[in-house]
Amino acid sequence: DAGVIQSPRHEVTEMGQEVTLRCKPISGHDYLFWYRQTMMRGLELLIYFNNNVPIDDSGMPEDRFSAKMPNASFSTLKIQPSEPRDSAVYFCASSPGTGGVQPQHFGDGTRLSIL
Amino acid sequence: QKEVEQDPGPLSVPEGAIVSLNCTYSNSAFQYFMWYRQYSRKGPELLMYTYSSGNKEDGRFTAQVDKSSKYISLFIRDSQPSDSATYLCAMSRLSSNDYKLSFGAGTTVTVRA
Repeated sequence: DAGVIQSPRHEVTEMGQEVTLRCKPISGHDYLFWYRQTMMRGLELLIYFNNNVPIDDSGMPEDRFSAKMPNASFSTLKIQPSEPRDSAVYFCASSPGTGGVQPQHFGDGTRLSIL
Repeated sequence: QKEVEQDPGPLSVPEGAIVSLNCTYSNSAFQYFMWYRQYSRKGPELLMYTYSSGNKEDGRFTAQVDKSSKYISLFIRDSQPSDSATYLCAMSRLSSNDYKLSFGAGTTVTVRA
């Protein structure tokens, strides 16, 4: 059973460029989460989807960030324009979310460096 | 003040020692309490979870929740070098319309052979 797949694993780009991070959740999982992890702030939830619909985007830092989920097997997180303070590891996670405690399964993240 | 407080460590112990990790929280609405383990350059993976107060044991791992004190703990017995990782506590209300997890900062643990 394939886990959550994220691409690219590493991204280095210059300030001002557009960055697109991709995620393929586990098949059959209804919930998809985007997180950002930094040394200073730890793991922060940016946005999550239920059945492809954004439910809570209160963690998205500013309008430069946007996320989409066009279908059940694909989601993107876009940063435009990127800034050095966006450098972090970005994780995608998915969950069955059918009630009770449903663990969130994380991908291995995209390590983003903005120069 | 953060919703979930966790001492980042680092914590270094000899092989075979008991590792003790803990978190405190401020939101009394939290009902589900989880511990995730994160190896270097990997995503977090769920280790254990508990509902409300009480203890739960799984092999060498024991999770405890004290809701009256808003305090949770994870104990690792007979620690092994393979237990070296960052351990993050997480908690949630997990109501029918709220699946968000609030994470602690994570404690980095090194078990010395």
